[in-house]
Amino acid sequence: DQQVKQNSPSLSVQEGRISILNCDYTNSMFDYFLWYKKYPAEGPTFLISISSIKDKNEDGRFTVFLNKSAKHLSLHIVPSQPGDSAVYFCAASSGAGSYQLTFGKGTKLSVIP
Amino acid sequence: DSGVTQTPKHLITATGQRVTLRCSPRSGDLSVYWYQQSLDQGLQFLIQYYNGEERAKGNILERFSAQQFPDLHSELNLSSLELGDSALYFCASSVSLVTGELFFGEGSRLTVL
Repeated sequence: DQQVKQNSPSLSVQEGRISILNCDYTNSMFDYFLWYKKYPAEGPTFLISISSIKDKNEDGRFTVFLNKSAKHLSLHIVPSQPGDSAVYFCAASSGAGSYQLTFGKGTKLSVIP
Repeated sequence: DSGVTQTPKHLITATGQRVTLRCSPRSGDLSVYWYQQSLDQGLQFLIQYYNGEERAKGNILERFSAQQFPDLHSELNLSSLELGDSALYFCASSVSLVTGELFFGEGSRLTVL
């Protein structure tokens, strides 16, 4: 049973436009959500996170939105740059003390110059 | 460079064999996590250690075991290997138990023939 789902395996966006990556979750106990970015031959790199007490968190070009009632979160990248081309993983956890993150399968973002 | 070091980067072995993957966490990080990424899958949490003690267990097979040593490096032992064990194994570390921001190594790619 996949508790964190990223239904789009891939996404192509023109440079300068907005990239929107989506993530759905099923476990109501999740209270902390993260996005990781992964380049080929590298480990995942933390990008941005959001606690369940918030509905938005912004960091530069990256904004994460959380809709708890819909159990949905999204990552917005504005403006998209070719260097943003990577696989993006959504992750979730429940409770402090042990951050065993549950990851989605990832969305491959391609930003076309 | 995340500061997390994993060795070996690549490993090819035969079914039935045993391998050991090694991880050195970032300096000062007490918590070490192991994740498995199989083809077209998200990262699956295997096990977490905190300051030498097992903290949480995920979907780790009985054929697999891990430990964290006094110098905080960790080893993941995989035995009686099967073809399905072929995967990328990531180690991650964090300084505390109250943040979900994990720092990942580049991974060890295991191929079982």
